[in-house]
Amino acid sequence: AQSVAQPEDQVNVAEGNPLTVKCTYSVSGNPYLFWYVQYPNRGLQFLLKYITGDNLVKGSYGFEAEFNKSQTSFHLKKPSALVSDSALYFCAVNWGFQKLVFGTGTRLLVSP
Amino acid sequence: GAVVSQHPSRVICKSGTSVKIECRSLDFQATTMFWYRQFPKQSLMLMATSNEGSKATYEQGVEKDKFLINHASLTLSTLTVTSAHPEDSSFYICSAGIGDEQFFGPGTRLTVL
Repeated sequence: AQSVAQPEDQVNVAEGNPLTVKCTYSVSGNPYLFWYVQYPNRGLQFLLKYITGDNLVKGSYGFEAEFNKSQTSFHLKKPSALVSDSALYFCAVNWGFQKLVFGTGTRLLVSP
Repeated sequence: GAVVSQHPSRVICKSGTSVKIECRSLDFQATTMFWYRQFPKQSLMLMATSNEGSKATYEQGVEKDKFLINHASLTLSTLTVTSAHPEDSSFYICSAGIGDEQFFGPGTRLTVL
């Protein structure tokens, strides 16, 4: 079955420190990978996506993600976290069709 | 950019009544829209895929007679929760697809008393 895993329910990081939010997927073929962010009582905002090409993808708000095919991972990273980055982050995957499969989400808490 | 709106943003209704939620693509046409449900502190669960001019495709376990979806135009899809009960209380999010991407609405908080 095709699935997406976010192994951490919550990630805590101090402001100014680098952050990583993990995502792995289980899928056949060549997936399209996405990261979204959700603030309380809001819809999802697109951060970045990987379709093909360079494994390092840069997105909105200084976030980036690295596609690793051998490890089937697509971890979200940011060199220097901000308190305003605190939110719920979702990894998602599809296969060129629009239907998305979401991970369970990781809550990022950045402390001042 | 592609903007998707939802109306209402929040609604409170009595048990047994029906509630309609609208999802609109404001600056683009979407042949496909998606409806998700999100419980507190949980991920988004796809309920159905809505295609303009045809019947929606429901995910396994979603009652099509309870969650009526209509996609009458390329910019509007509606979700009607019929005979709502407290267990239907949730955050409902729609999205509209362009190519390989989806653009999400801000969500609708439904509370059934």
